[in-house]
Amino acid sequence: QSVLTQPPSVSAAPGQKVTISCSGSSSNIGKNYVSWYQQFPGTAPKLLIYDHNKRPSGIPDRFSGSKSGTSATLGITGLQTGDEADYYCGTWDSSLSAGVFGGGTKLTVL
Amino acid sequence: QVQLVQSGAEVKKPGASVKVSCKASGYTFTTYYLHWVRQAPGQGLEWMGIINPTGDSTNYAQRFQGRVTMTRDTSTSTVYLELKRLRSEDTAIYYCARAGGGFSDSPFDLWGQGTLVTVSS
Repeated sequence: QSVLTQPPSVSAAPGQKVTISCSGSSSNIGKNYVSWYQQFPGTAPKLLIYDHNKRPSGIPDRFSGSKSGTSATLGITGLQTGDEADYYCGTWDSSLSAGVFGGGTKLTVL
Repeated sequence: QVQLVQSGAEVKKPGASVKVSCKASGYTFTTYYLHWVRQAPGQGLEWMGIINPTGDSTNYAQRFQGRVTMTRDTSTSTVYLELKRLRSEDTAIYYCARAGGGFSDSPFDLWGQGTLVTVSS
């Protein structure tokens, strides 16, 4: 059981937009920055979004992040088949003094 | 080239210990915290713990307390994860990951390639 809650799967057609939610609590998302990671099968996760809504160098602006209260959202516009991957939200939990992740969301581009 | 390179796959019997290494290169090793994260087959990411830049402070996830030890050799820019009393549920890919902002709660901006640890009798 993950500390952060994500939907197991989302899907959308190429070119469309999709959002992935991440729900937490006052001790994690409510207090600390949220990051998002993209993971393709057989590879290590890759940082996609950090500090709620910042993109590392090389990440296209089709990817965006936001936070409201104790929830965060990853948005992907102009979906491409190459975006099919697992997406994880993560942050620090100040009560647990531990890193925490969501259970991951599998994105299917139909 | 900025990278974290981990040691190779391991196969261990239940009750044994495993030690996985993660060698950093291309950046100032003593500037960044390093985390360990694992992923069981078909499952999500699980945070295991963190070691500070100089290696004199660690923080482990509650569920691994007493079984895990993280150490750091600044002379070789390598961090180690040792997990004892292995059980089948410890079968997973183990990743080291750098906390990019120089703080313990910074995002994981650099990951090792992962080390598969298989626990089987």
